[in-house]
Amino acid sequence: ETGVTQSPTHLIKTRGQQVTLRCSSQSGHNTVSWYQQALGQGPQFIFQYYREEENGRGNFPPRFSGLQFPNYSSELNVNALELDDSALYLCASTPRVNGGTDTQYFGPGTRLTVL
Amino acid sequence: QKEVEQNSGPLSVPEGAIASLNCTYSDRGSQSFFWYRQYSGKSPELIMSIYSNGDKEDGRFTAQLNKASQYVSLLIRDSQPSDSATYLCAVNFNTGGFKTIFGAGTRLFVKA
Repeated sequence: ETGVTQSPTHLIKTRGQQVTLRCSSQSGHNTVSWYQQALGQGPQFIFQYYREEENGRGNFPPRFSGLQFPNYSSELNVNALELDDSALYLCASTPRVNGGTDTQYFGPGTRLTVL
Repeated sequence: QKEVEQNSGPLSVPEGAIASLNCTYSDRGSQSFFWYRQYSGKSPELIMSIYSNGDKEDGRFTAQLNKASQYVSLLIRDSQPSDSATYLCAVNFNTGGFKTIFGAGTRLFVKA
């Protein structure tokens, strides 16, 4: 167990809807990253938040947005859902002591299905 | 375009053998390197991190990094059936914003 929790575990939405996924970081970790993992592929980096500010972003459109709260928990919001958004969404937290060298610890993920 | 490449496998080895997993990356600005193991339906779990050239050993696992060749590998000694999983190579960059790039993973099967 990494101490990173995510909710919900599973979610089914229809095309065009909006979804919010939640992540609670490991205690003492001030950085959170979000990933999308399609079946049979490696995780794809969506973005990272450090002390409530976006610190880096992958090649995802603006309809993927996020928030980090003062307690370092985080949300991933996806608007205008598309069928290709069906994936496992992973949250990872980091202590952010050494910048880019820090290890990321993953939560169990949220399985999103878009119909 | 920053890329991380792995052989997709599957790699099949007998129980007790050494499994060798390889990963190459394209960006010389890469700072840190990680191997994760992922069982089907589960999230990635960290096996090893490595930051400088050379070997790093932890139990049955050895990570090797060669920055000149842009190559990182993972050796698993005395492979066990419980090692059967997908192994993901990940590379961190922190130039112009933080980013982690994962390879697509190598599926390993250890036959009893």
